[in-house]
Amino acid sequence: QSALTQPPSASGSPGQSVTISCTGTSSDVGGYNYVSWYQQHPGKAPKLMIYEVSMRPSGVPDRFSGSKSGNTASLTVSGLQAEDEADYYCSSYAGSNNYVFGTGTKVTVL
Amino acid sequence: EVQLVESGGGLVQPGGSLRLSCSASGFTFSSYAMHWVRQAPGKGLEYVSVISSNGGSTYYADSVKGRFTISRDNSKNTLYLQMSNLRAEDTAVYYCVKGVGINWYRVYWGQGTLVTVSS
Repeated sequence: QSALTQPPSASGSPGQSVTISCTGTSSDVGGYNYVSWYQQHPGKAPKLMIYEVSMRPSGVPDRFSGSKSGNTASLTVSGLQAEDEADYYCSSYAGSNNYVFGTGTKVTVL
Repeated sequence: EVQLVESGGGLVQPGGSLRLSCSASGFTFSSYAMHWVRQAPGKGLEYVSVISSNGGSTYYADSVKGRFTISRDNSKNTLYLQMSNLRAEDTAVYYCVKGVGINWYRVYWGQGTLVTVSS
């Protein structure tokens, strides 16, 4: 399994929106609606922000939204806030009870 | 409350071996597949391995296949990762992970244990 491809960085000013892409193959992203997104602040464990492409766990602000088209999933953060500055990783189910992560995107709030 | 506590990390020379443990509590350990995920310093997350709930099925990333062995002891609520022939590129924080459901609608991470491979 190869890592899912994400842009290394993304940025936006407070209040703006930023969208991060996550490109895989028909064996992972394109084959299942089991794409998740994680937020990771330095020195911390990843936090689940989106699961099953577009579902938000309890407690995650609705500023975070997810979508998928073909082999590419996307995470959009609307109304950027300073605390959204972090690394973001996508993940997809890849069959046979295993998963694959994306390469990660550093989001900077300007 | 779900708790995952990793141990066993440390400094090891290239070519050496190390066994990581993950002690689980707060849930029925024997009912869940368990995973190892690692993160090299300043790098991204890398999925390493998974073991089924009864230990009968395993999967390894190509980067560790043939060198790492995942196992579990359901009587001790403990997950293991035996690492051998370690390389510098295996240096990372290793996380024990429990995902709920195939869609991982809830995910629990341990605090991680640092493995450093260096001479």
